[in-house]
Amino acid sequence: DTAVSQTPKYLVTQMGNDKSIKCEQNLGHDTMYWYKQDSKKFLKIMFSYNNKELIINETVPNRFSPKSPDKAHLNLHINSLELGDSAVYFCASSPSAGNTIYFGEGSWLTVV
Amino acid sequence: GESVGLHLPTLSVQEGDNSIINCAYSNSASDYFIWYKQESGKGPQFIIDIRSNMDKRQGQRVTVLLNKTVKHLSLQIAATQPGDSAVYFCAETAGNNRKLIWGLGTSLAVNP
Repeated sequence: DTAVSQTPKYLVTQMGNDKSIKCEQNLGHDTMYWYKQDSKKFLKIMFSYNNKELIINETVPNRFSPKSPDKAHLNLHINSLELGDSAVYFCASSPSAGNTIYFGEGSWLTVV
Repeated sequence: GESVGLHLPTLSVQEGDNSIINCAYSNSASDYFIWYKQESGKGPQFIIDIRSNMDKRQGQRVTVLLNKTVKHLSLQIAATQPGDSAVYFCAETAGNNRKLIWGLGTSLAVNP
């Protein structure tokens, strides 16, 4: 069973479109994250939620909006996609903030 | 072979040799450190962790060494195998918010 699952795995879309990436974890963790990884493999945290409450909100464009309907889900919605949004987006979870983080398999977003 | 982290170098080793991946962490108050392995096309996976009250911890074929005096962390992989080829990240955490700070990664290439 996949512990942290995210969909879609691959997404190719045009500039200006709005898209969502969904994430679910079945580990019973309290904390969930969204990370962005660029072409140089640098991992940058975007958001972190603890029990549905936003606890980390790094400097990202407000076109990115996370939503956590419950502590097992953290979805990422992106409005007005730009070329620079092309990256791999990883969802992750941990028992609590600062503990070992378990990552999903990633969503490859390509904006054309 | 050895490498120095926080930029993304490539460490190339022969199968069967020992590998040493280094990481210079940034915060002297960091008290928890984690090594992750990211294979091509996948999300980062936890390898081993160490707390600041220890200076060495061993796992299966892997050893993490922590030198708090010089803020240095290393991952040693014994008898490196082709399946060890991946990008390796160190991460540190400190403070009340327990936010993980990620290194830039080291790419390990194992030659058969």
